[in-house]
Amino acid sequence: AQSVTQPDIHITVSEGASLELRCNYSYGATPYLFWYVQSPGQGLQLLLKYFSGDTLVQGIKGFEAEFKRSQSSFNLRKPSVHWSDAAEYFCAVFSSGSARQLTFGSGTQLTVLP
Amino acid sequence: EADIYQTPRYLVIGTGKKITLECSQTMGHDKMYWYQQDPGMELHLIHYSYGVNSTEKGDLSSESTVSRIRTEHFPLTLESARPSHTSQYLCASSPTPTGDEQFFGPGTRLTVL
Repeated sequence: AQSVTQPDIHITVSEGASLELRCNYSYGATPYLFWYVQSPGQGLQLLLKYFSGDTLVQGIKGFEAEFKRSQSSFNLRKPSVHWSDAAEYFCAVFSSGSARQLTFGSGTQLTVLP
Repeated sequence: EADIYQTPRYLVIGTGKKITLECSQTMGHDKMYWYQQDPGMELHLIHYSYGVNSTEKGDLSSESTVSRIRTEHFPLTLESARPSHTSQYLCASSPTPTGDEQFFGPGTRLTVL
């Protein structure tokens, strides 16, 4: 069965600093990978996705993520964080087998200091 | 992008009450999903539907039930609410054949006293 690990429960960065959120997955085949963001009291918004091809994918709000098969990782990055980026971030892997469902990590809470 | 609506956004209710959480989407997506999310935790799939009159249980066991009589509507019902049902419930839909890309509603935060 697939699984997703987000090792960092909480990350704090200063506004304007760079950001990297870690995500490791376990899945037998080529994964479909996603990053979602959840603001307080809101649902999840899709930031970006990887299905195949270029391993560096660009998303909305200036985010990007890099797929590294050798490390089973799909880390999310942003060169300069804005205060409005404070939220919870979820990595997810989609199983294209019989289950066909999204499996989410436990999330990383991002705090942005002024 | 899908427009997905969930009502109510917040609900506080006493033990033993029957409740229905509403979820509607306006984009004609066949696939719809219900997730349960406890504070600070990951989402767990509790129900899904691949179309009208199709419903399946997800990985996380849930005492709730769902129905799909219309494409745009996917309500979730708890016949007798208990404090253990206190959680956030998120509805999602997908336009893709496999359901990989999902769009989420704002969620319903349920508190059972």
